[in-house]
Amino acid sequence: KNEVEQSPQNLTAQEGEFITINCSYSVGISALHWLQQHPGGGIVSLFMLSSGKKKHGRLIATINIQEKHSSLHITASHPRDSAVYICAVSPNYGGATNKLIFGTGTLLAVQP
Amino acid sequence: DVKVTQSSRYLVKRTGEKVFLECVQDMDHENMFWYRQDPGLGLRLIYFSYDVKMKEKGDIPEGYSVSREKKERFSLILESASTNQTSMYLCASSKEYNEQFFGPGTRLTVL
Repeated sequence: KNEVEQSPQNLTAQEGEFITINCSYSVGISALHWLQQHPGGGIVSLFMLSSGKKKHGRLIATINIQEKHSSLHITASHPRDSAVYICAVSPNYGGATNKLIFGTGTLLAVQP
Repeated sequence: DVKVTQSSRYLVKRTGEKVFLECVQDMDHENMFWYRQDPGLGLRLIYFSYDVKMKEKGDIPEGYSVSREKKERFSLILESASTNQTSMYLCASSKEYNEQFFGPGTRLTVL
């Protein structure tokens, strides 16, 4: 079983819909990251959070440390949101490093 | 803005060749990472470095080596390229325990 699991693996939405991508993890962490990768493009960090909730524009990330679960929400989705969304965690074992454990990503397609 | 650059976007090499992938960051970050990304497997860590001349193996170091002679530059070396090393290679850097900044990636094909 992977230490970081995302769901769904694939998601198709209509423009304007509210979207939720989920991430569950099984290790102790110091932080959780949400990343975005457009087709053929590099990876961009969206959020890094260790508690509560963060918001940036139409994107909202929440984390529940006790339940080892995080969600990424996109409000009023738009075709330009189409991308792979990757959840990653910074485990709090293994010494003083900034290594990440990655989920396999959620492929989002937003149709006009 | 942090900038992480990689030497090539696309690279085609032959089996057995020695391959160098270079990564440069301009924000004085201590940590640098090399990943490969394959469909269905996600990102996997090959090697990382937390200081000049310091390196640690990641999850899949076999067939790879790295070099960090200067703080801003982290090189990935495929000593003898094989077809199973065809992949997307991504470099990243970070300051201490903060977010990682990724380069644009190098799509390597080994024939």
